[in-house]
Amino acid sequence: SQTIHQWPATLVQPVGSPLSLECTVEGTSNPNLYWYRQAAGRGLQLLFYSVGIGQISSEVPQNLSASRPQDRQFILSSKKLLLSDSGFYLCAWTPVGGAEQYFGPGTRLTVT
Amino acid sequence: DQQVKQNSPSLSVQEGRISILNCDYTNSMFDYFLWYKKYPAEGPTFLISISSIKDKNEDGRFTVFLNKSAKHLSLHIVPSQPGDSAVYFCAATNQAGTALIFGKGTTLSVSS
Repeated sequence: SQTIHQWPATLVQPVGSPLSLECTVEGTSNPNLYWYRQAAGRGLQLLFYSVGIGQISSEVPQNLSASRPQDRQFILSSKKLLLSDSGFYLCAWTPVGGAEQYFGPGTRLTVT
Repeated sequence: DQQVKQNSPSLSVQEGRISILNCDYTNSMFDYFLWYKKYPAEGPTFLISISSIKDKNEDGRFTVFLNKSAKHLSLHIVPSQPGDSAVYFCAATNQAGTALIFGKGTTLSVSS
């Protein structure tokens, strides 16, 4: 069966510090991968998605970036965090050709 | 421009009664619709979906209805249970494997 992992589960970082969140999927090959953010009291905002290694599409211009160094690994990064980057970050995957997205447990990021 | 709208931020229902969650969309190119359930500090869980070629899909206590002419879909939960208390997100896509567009969610509270 397929499993999606995210870490860390929670993170508190000062403004201006770097960020690296990792997501990995097990039990499948060549998944589409997604990063979402849920800010307090708001819905799910798509940040990035990837249909293959090295292929990243950005949906919202911001100080975040994403990379996919391996087939089942998706990384969300920032060089300098802003207060507005606080939120709940979710990674999701779909099989090729599928529409249902399956979400990881999320990372709660607090920028102080 | 919000393409998927959930106009009711919250809904309160008594245990055993029907819960009806509504969702409207503006993009007529959407051809697949999904509902997700989310508990606090967890990733969303896929509940049920419907293709635009159907007007109803049922899975146990959950039924999704699609009215394409009105660009409206609804999720019915019968009978409602206290464990159904969560945030429900409606989502849509116009191409399998690409990003989902989410509504802002409706918080359902089921009282016993």
